[in-house]
Amino acid sequence: SQTIHQWPATLVQPVGSPLSLECTVEGTSNPNLYWYRQAAGRGLQLLFYSVGIGQISSEVPQNLSASRPQDRQFILSSKKLLLSDSGFYLCAWGEGSDTGELFFGEGSRLTVL
Amino acid sequence: AQSVAQPEDQVNVAEGNPLTVKCTYSVSGNPYLFWYVQYPNRGLQFLLKYITGDNLVKGSYGFEAEFNKSQTSFHLKKPSALVSDSALYFCAVSPSGTSYGKLTFGQGTILTVHP
Repeated sequence: SQTIHQWPATLVQPVGSPLSLECTVEGTSNPNLYWYRQAAGRGLQLLFYSVGIGQISSEVPQNLSASRPQDRQFILSSKKLLLSDSGFYLCAWGEGSDTGELFFGEGSRLTVL
Repeated sequence: AQSVAQPEDQVNVAEGNPLTVKCTYSVSGNPYLFWYVQYPNRGLQFLLKYITGDNLVKGSYGFEAEFNKSQTSFHLKKPSALVSDSALYFCAVSPSGTSYGKLTFGQGTILTVHP
């Protein structure tokens, strides 16, 4: 069966520090991968998605970047964090079809102080 | 562009009573609709989806949802609520055509089931 892992689960970082959140998927090949951010515990905003290795699409302009160095690895990064980057970050994978559901990781809570 | 509205921030029901969580959508073409549940500090769990066919879709944990094309709605329902159903519920839409599986989510509805 397929599983998705995210780490770290919780992170407290000072303003201006770098960020790296990692996500890996097991049990499937060539998944589509997604990073969502959930602010204030409510709505989800799609940040990035990837349909293959090295292929990243950004949905919103921001202080963050994403990379996909391997088929089942998706990384969210920042060179210098802002206070507004605080939130709950969720990685998800899907088969890439319009009718397929997404499967989410357990999330990473980032607090920028 | 597609959008999803969940008009109620919160829904409160008594245990054993039926529950409804509302969702309306706006999308060009045929919509693919989804419901997810989120427990505190956890990821989202898939409940059910509507792609085509029967307007009443059954999903996990006794939940079902009714697709209504004329009202552009996809309300989540359960005949008898449990305290353990208390959580944050999200409706989502994926427009037909090539969207690479991306989902657009509503703002979520907090469901509280009282004993």
